[in-house]
Amino acid sequence: QLQLQESDSGLVKPSQTLSLTCTVSGDSISSAGFSWSWIRQPPGKGLEWIGYIYHSGDSYYNPSLKNRVTISIDMSKNQFSLKVTSVTAADTAVYYCARVPPYGKYVSSWFDPWGQGSLVTVSS
Amino acid sequence: DIQMTQSPSSVSAAVGDRVTLTCRASQVISTWLAWYQQKPGQAPKLIIYAASTLQTGVPSRFSGSGSGTDFTLTISSLQPEDFATYYCQQASASPYTFGQGTKVEIK
Repeated sequence: QLQLQESDSGLVKPSQTLSLTCTVSGDSISSAGFSWSWIRQPPGKGLEWIGYIYHSGDSYYNPSLKNRVTISIDMSKNQFSLKVTSVTAADTAVYYCARVPPYGKYVSSWFDPWGQGSLVTVSS
Repeated sequence: DIQMTQSPSSVSAAVGDRVTLTCRASQVISTWLAWYQQKPGQAPKLIIYAASTLQTGVPSRFSGSGSGTDFTLTISSLQPEDFATYYCQQASASPYTFGQGTKVEIK
């Protein structure tokens, strides 16, 4: 059974870089047709898609995060990672990693399954 | 960006009730729509994709319909484990966006 687990980032100071890793177990992260995504949810609020990375390494991001986000993949460790630079209090959220299954010959762009989430608080 | 609007924002219902939730997209998305269930303290769970396809393992009392801009999620007979917040998400165009959620509460 596929499982995803986010690392703990905890408390990050304003203007610093948030870093999270998602460890995938139960399947290979290099499985053809699948992509890997990050989504976040501020406390008590809705969901925001951050971006995703194909198994090929190509990545796509939400323009709302401008140029602050990088998603990378490490096939050897079966992990993918998120970095968000220059964080502010608005980046405080639970960060989820998730798999993006294919839908026919397309990338589906829906998310299943999800990790349990990692709360990141931005505060001095 | 495509805006997703869910209604109502919350609904109170009793066990056994039929509940219908609505999601509207700000532009045509064909059937590129997913529904998620989220319980407090848990990650969202995919329950419907491609507007009407039930995810494996999800009870058949859940159903989805719609295409274009208007979509519905129906729970035919509400069970105690169904009390949660439900989100729709458009998968048609980046950035992929979610509705604000509908909370299904116990009456």
